[in-house]
Amino acid sequence: NAGVTQTPKFRILKIGQSMTLQCTQDMNHNYMYWYRQDPGMGLKLIYYSVGAGITDKGEVPNGYNVSRSTTEDFPLRLELAAPSQTSVYFCASSAHRERGEKLFFGSGTQLSVL
Amino acid sequence: DAKTTQPPSMDCAEGRAANLPCNHSTISGNEYVYWYRQIHSQGPQYIIHGLKNNETNEMASLIITEDRKSSTLILPHATLRDTAVYYCIVFYTNAGKSTFGDGTTLTVKP
Repeated sequence: NAGVTQTPKFRILKIGQSMTLQCTQDMNHNYMYWYRQDPGMGLKLIYYSVGAGITDKGEVPNGYNVSRSTTEDFPLRLELAAPSQTSVYFCASSAHRERGEKLFFGSGTQLSVL
Repeated sequence: DAKTTQPPSMDCAEGRAANLPCNHSTISGNEYVYWYRQIHSQGPQYIIHGLKNNETNEMASLIITEDRKSSTLILPHATLRDTAVYYCIVFYTNAGKSTFGDGTTLTVKP
C-alpha cells in the first residue's frame, strides 16, 4: 500500500506564481486534510474534507483553495504565492473505525516562495 | 475536541524509559487519546491510542488515569532514534481537526 502520496517533494515559487500541491490516498478514507508547518512550530490545519464534494476551512485557509472531486484526491491550490506561504505542507487522511481513527500523513512538500 | 497540554521539552538517557505526560482535563467520554511523533521534518507517525484502559504495542505503552484527565506515553528503552517531537491529541472522529499544538520535544542522549 502506498498510503498517502504527496507531490512534489520540493518546490520554489516566485512571488505571485500559482501552483497545485497534489495529494492522493489509496486507503478509501473519507476524511482528508491539509496542514502547514512553519519552522519549529506545530501543525496548522488549512482545509479539510469529510468526503467527495465536501470541503471546509481550517485554522489558516487564506491564500489557499481545495477541491475534492474523488475520494482518493485532495489537491491544494496556492494562488498568488506570497513569502508568508513558505512552509512545509502535509496532507493526511483518516477513516473512523469502531476502535478508533488513525491519521496517516504524507511525507510533505517543502515550499519556498522567493 | 478536548485541548491538551504537554511540556515543551524533555531529555532522556539512552536505554532508559522515557515518560511523556499529557493533560486533557476536558476530555469527553467517547474521546480517545492518541499519540503521534514527528522525526525531523517527516510526516507525523502514529504511535498508540486508547480510550480508558492502558494499552501497549511494539512501540510504546499508554497509561491513562482512571479519571481520564491525563495520560503518559512510555517508551520503555529509549534509543537515539526516538529523538522527535511527540504530540498528544484527543478526539472521537474527524481526526485531522484536532489541534496538534507544539508537542513535546524529546531528546535522547547517549
